Amino acid sequence: QKEVEQNSGPLSVPEGAIASLNCTYSDRGSQSFFWYRQYSGKSPELIMFIYSNGDKEDGRFTAQLNKASQYVSLLIRDSQPSDSATYLCARTTGSARQLTFGSGTQLTVLP
Amino acid sequence: DVKVTQSSRYLVKRTGEKVFLECVQDMDHENMFWYRQDPGLGLRLIYFSYDVKMKEKGDIPEGYSVSREKKERFSLILESASTNQTSMYLCASSPRTAYGYTFGSGTRLTVV
Repeated sequence: QKEVEQNSGPLSVPEGAIASLNCTYSDRGSQSFFWYRQYSGKSPELIMFIYSNGDKEDGRFTAQLNKASQYVSLLIRDSQPSDSATYLCARTTGSARQLTFGSGTQLTVLP
Repeated sequence: DVKVTQSSRYLVKRTGEKVFLECVQDMDHENMFWYRQDPGLGLRLIYFSYDVKMKEKGDIPEGYSVSREKKERFSLILESASTNQTSMYLCASSPRTAYGYTFGSGTRLTVV
């Protein structure tokens, strides 16, 4: 079992809709979780991180963490074509110094 | 802003060649990492370093080695390149914890 699992997609949503990206993990000791966005041909860039159960909001993005169920999700409200990218979920390992990544979910926002 | 610079954007090498991928960061970060990224497999950790002259194997170290002689520079070495090492290689650095992970722009290596 992969340590961090993501649905590879592709996921398509119409412009203005809510995009929901999900991630599950196998290690109950995982501390913090990160969402990165990666445009085609570019390197990953951090969107946000979360370490407490519940929701964390930053602009159009909301991260949700449920440690009991071992999942973390990212909601993108009012999706825009510029949100079209691959979204990578990651968790901390190695005394919180390293990140272990999922394989990513490809999102396409249709105009 | 932290800058992580990888020396080459694209590289084409022949099977059996020794290949050096260089990564330099300019923010005095302690931690440096080398990942490779392949379609459907995500980012996989090759090697990492938490200090000068320190190195640790990641999940897929076979066929690779690394060098960290200075804090700002972390080199990935392919001792004898093979076609299955054709991939996108990403360097990253961070301060003490993973919260400040920053990636370089990547090196797309093709081994023919």
